[in-house]
Amino acid sequence: AQSVAQPEDQVNVAEGNPLTVKCTYSVSGNPYLFWYVQYPNRGLQFLLKYITGDNLVKGSYGFEAEFNKSQTSFHLKKPSALVSDSALYFCAVRPNSGYALNFGKGTSLLVTP
Amino acid sequence: EAQVTQNPRYLITVTGKKLTVTCSQNMNHEYMSWYRQDPGLGLRQIYYSMNVEVTDKGDVPEGYKVSRKEKRNFPLILESPSPNQTSLYFCASSPPFGPGSFGPGTRLTVL
Repeated sequence: AQSVAQPEDQVNVAEGNPLTVKCTYSVSGNPYLFWYVQYPNRGLQFLLKYITGDNLVKGSYGFEAEFNKSQTSFHLKKPSALVSDSALYFCAVRPNSGYALNFGKGTSLLVTP
Repeated sequence: EAQVTQNPRYLITVTGKKLTVTCSQNMNHEYMSWYRQDPGLGLRQIYYSMNVEVTDKGDVPEGYKVSRKEKRNFPLILESPSPNQTSLYFCASSPPFGPGSFGPGTRLTVL
């Protein structure tokens, strides 16, 4: 069975500081990994994905994520947080042999001025 | 514009009254799915479809039905809604193994 864990319900960061939103996964084989962002009263927006290749992937709005196979992690990062980054962030995993996309429970990011 | 549309966006209904939430995508994606989002539980998959006339259960299929008669449409049917189906529902579509494109959501309240 595949699963995704986001260990932090909320992350608080001051504007201008780096941010990290954590995600670990459990899936057989090599997974496809995704990050999505949800702003209030909106649907989910795709940020970035890891399929294969370079462990550091870059996505939208200055976000990047680091894939670590040995730690089965895919943490989302940004060097300098903006107040407008405040939102709910979801990590998701899809096995490379199937269609099901499993989401973590989400992490609420609050960036304060 | 490439998009996933859902209707209605908001719906208040009563227990037992059948309802359908429509979902349509214009990206020619094979894969479509329905999720419900509840506080503290994240997104849970209800049903998914790999192509026309091919559907399968997700993690929380009880009380829901789907159909996929056309590639672009994937309606979610609640034959006899109950209060525990009060939730925020999202439809998504994607190419094989690609990221999903999500609809704007349907907020359903069952009284």
